[in-house]
Amino acid sequence: DADVTQTPRNRITKTGKRIMLECSQTKGHDRMYWYRQDPGLGLRLIYYSFDVKDINKGEISDGYSVSRQAQAKFSLSLESAIPNQTALYFCATSGDRKTNTGELFFGEGSRLTVL
Amino acid sequence: QKEVEQNSGPLSVPEGAIASLNCTYSDRVSQSFFWYRQYSGKSPELIMSIYSNGDKEDGRFTAQLNKASQYVSLLIRDSQPSDSATYLCAAPSGNTGKLIFGQGTTLQVKP
Repeated sequence: DADVTQTPRNRITKTGKRIMLECSQTKGHDRMYWYRQDPGLGLRLIYYSFDVKDINKGEISDGYSVSRQAQAKFSLSLESAIPNQTALYFCATSGDRKTNTGELFFGEGSRLTVL
Repeated sequence: QKEVEQNSGPLSVPEGAIASLNCTYSDRVSQSFFWYRQYSGKSPELIMSIYSNGDKEDGRFTAQLNKASQYVSLLIRDSQPSDSATYLCAAPSGNTGKLIFGQGTTLQVKP
């Protein structure tokens, strides 16, 4: 089983719908991240969380919200999806400040299409 | 200016050649740098990290860091078709702990 699991893996939805992407991890890491990937733009950080009570905006947080339900769970919501949010979304984890080598461990990605 | 910049390519090299991938960064506070490899349709995976000026070698891969020039590179010796992928350079943003990625360079190794 994957250490970082994302659901759903693929989703097609319509403009204006609310969408939630979920991420769970079994690595015991404190830090979790949501990235978005578009062709030619690399990975852009949407939100990140260093523990359950710590949520921070990334480079492109507008139109998104997150919830850190537990150390192991970090979900991303699109309250009212729009077509330019069509992208590949990755959840990632890393260790805490003492153990963090800087390495991110990624989920398999969630491909979202907004029509 | 983006915090981490790469040439998106594609960079095409013949099998057996040396592939050279380059990255520049803007935050002088950054102390560590990372190269991730991403195959098409897959998630990124870490292949090299470098923290000190100079070279770091791991098998066919060599990472080079020049903090004065704010430049980091990845050399792949004896390139193989299986090295064909997108290579992402990443650096921490200041002391925030968040990792910022460049746009990635697509490498094509032709048999």
